[in-house]
Amino acid sequence: NAGVTQTPKFQVLKTGQSMTLQCAQDMNHEYMSWYRQDPGMGLRLIHYSVGAGITDQGEVPNGYNVSRSTTEDFPLRLLSAAPSQTSVYFCASSYFDTMEYGYTFGSGTRLTVV
Amino acid sequence: SQKIEQNSEALNIQEGKTATLTCNYTNYSPAYLQWYRQDPGRGPVFLLLIRENEKEKRKERLKVTFDTTLKQSLFHITASQPADSATYLCAPGKGRRALTFGSGTRLQVQP
Repeated sequence: NAGVTQTPKFQVLKTGQSMTLQCAQDMNHEYMSWYRQDPGMGLRLIHYSVGAGITDQGEVPNGYNVSRSTTEDFPLRLLSAAPSQTSVYFCASSYFDTMEYGYTFGSGTRLTVV
Repeated sequence: SQKIEQNSEALNIQEGKTATLTCNYTNYSPAYLQWYRQDPGRGPVFLLLIRENEKEKRKERLKVTFDTTLKQSLFHITASQPADSATYLCAPGKGRRALTFGSGTRLQVQP
């Protein structure tokens, strides 16, 4: 099924632990991004990529790292988890040269840092 | 910095009525505006896009308007159904820049 696949769906981390949230898409979208969603704050952009080998920071990049070695994959790494990173994380992808079809979002990863 | 405002209070309407949701933005001149639907525990789903030179756009029971003078977009769902109950997000955009989303308005359609 074409779309954006995120794993895991749920994760509990202890403060200071590191982990990688996985995101893969099979639509050959050039553009991929990571958002976090917190109650009352909407979606906030963490990092984004306009193609393999190219990444850039969004609104709230601190504490997160990304890389884009292939068109399909865009993993998000938490370097040293903090309780403030408890959130729902969404990966999204789209065509780069047109916004007519919008973003395709994954189903999210719910992360709790204790 | 740009600011996007959507009514944080839930909108409750009766089935069959028209739901109207508002998206206001400041410190920004978007070239287009997108609307998304989000169900609990799911990622947002793209509904439609309206460009700055389009006053109105329709898709089935959905109608979106875009007033660049008022810096506002209105999202209408006609003949609303309980299945339309969800949170609706707006996202003004420009060129190929990453989208900034509003925090969304929750719509509850009562049978």
